Amino acid sequence: DQQVKQNSPSLSVQEGRISILNCDYTNSMFDYFLWYKKYPAEGPTFLISISSIKDKNEDGRFTVFLNKSAKHLSLHIVPSQPGDSAVYFCAASPANQAGTALIFGKGTTLSVSS
Amino acid sequence: DAGVIQSPRHEVTEMGQEVTLRCKPISGHNSLFWYRQTMMRGLELLIYFNNNVPIDDSGMPEDRFSAKMPNASFSTLKIQPSEPRDSAVYFCASRENTGELFFGEGSRLTVL
Repeated sequence: DQQVKQNSPSLSVQEGRISILNCDYTNSMFDYFLWYKKYPAEGPTFLISISSIKDKNEDGRFTVFLNKSAKHLSLHIVPSQPGDSAVYFCAASPANQAGTALIFGKGTTLSVSS
Repeated sequence: DAGVIQSPRHEVTEMGQEVTLRCKPISGHNSLFWYRQTMMRGLELLIYFNNNVPIDDSGMPEDRFSAKMPNASFSTLKIQPSEPRDSAVYFCASRENTGELFFGEGSRLTVL
């Protein structure tokens, strides 16, 4: 039923190590993918995106990888910092255009210990 | 820029009462979205508008839920009558034609 799945509710990582958050989707029409970060009592904030014409997008410590054939994407955070502790949501859309909405997963809570 | 503004931030009400949540999108954004966050379902899309016109309301749980966007700078989400299972954090988000959504800080609803 869920079109965007984040099967790991939580992840614990030590400071300085790599954090890998995973996301799977079922709708082959999805063409545009994003990651959001959410701190308690705040709204989600945009982190990084990727379109289906690419298989990797990098922004500083954050890299998103897309495997269209497997309908899988992942977010890598290197090196992880305690301030990265938050809930991470994966989102997908049929296209990056007006009149479309983002479908979100349930989120993964990342805890980075110092 | 003030960002997306939602009110109230917190609402506690009794079952059966009407609840109205409000949202002011970022100026110039022409798409507006209402999401609900719960532990069970994560961030769930309820309804979205493009140029003030509802595009898809299939996520609205029941007829008790309704949403309006009378102009480009204001939207409401109404629940009447409210039930305890409606307790959640309700987020409004907006964007220009493409790209990422910008979220408000949310309205935490508790129905007793």
